[in-house]
Amino acid sequence: GESVGLHLPTLSVQEGDNSIINCAYSNSASDYFIWYKQESGKGPQFIIDIRSNMDKRQGQRVTVLLNKTVKHLSLQIAATQPGDSAVYFCAETLVAGGTSYGKLTFGQGTILTVHP
Amino acid sequence: DAGVTQSPTHLIKTRGQQVTLRCSPKSGHDTVSWYQQALGQGPQFIFQYYEEEERQRGNFPDRFSGHQFPNYSSELNVNALLLGDSALYLCASSRTGTALVNSNQPQHFGDGTRLSIL
Repeated sequence: GESVGLHLPTLSVQEGDNSIINCAYSNSASDYFIWYKQESGKGPQFIIDIRSNMDKRQGQRVTVLLNKTVKHLSLQIAATQPGDSAVYFCAETLVAGGTSYGKLTFGQGTILTVHP
Repeated sequence: DAGVTQSPTHLIKTRGQQVTLRCSPKSGHDTVSWYQQALGQGPQFIFQYYEEEERQRGNFPDRFSGHQFPNYSSELNVNALLLGDSALYLCASSRTGTALVNSNQPQHFGDGTRLSIL
């Protein structure tokens, strides 16, 4: 079946370092990918998204890279801060006709710990 | 502008009982999706409601059912509860019909209902 998985379950970095979180997806039909951040006791919070017609997208301190050839997605966080400590999930979905969002398929998640 | 709200925040039930969880979508959203998140796992899609009908369903048994009301709010019902139903239940809302462009947040999530089965 369809699945989205992560290579590393945990990542520990020092404050100020850059962080890279990786994700592999298996459904080649997926055309929309999202990174979510989930803090303890909270729901997933949107970070950044990317469509399959792009290979890179930048936000504030975050960059998402998409490699469709190897079905790989990564999230780069620049100058990581203690407030970035959370679980990070990648998710994939199919955009039905461009006007609605179907189900999200989530990966296992990576725990990011940032040490002061 | 209120985001997605869910109630209750925590709930304890025993095996065999039934439970109803509630969700109010973000203002302006008309589509509600429900997810189950077991401890240490990513959320798993249960189903999605639009125009008061179930539009898409994940791999969950019929014990899981839902409803959407004219005001777009939604309920998730689970019958004959099992120990394995213990999880965080997340509601997410979105808007159907909006042209998808970059930076549109696909689904806004609530903070969930923590359901514990004893």
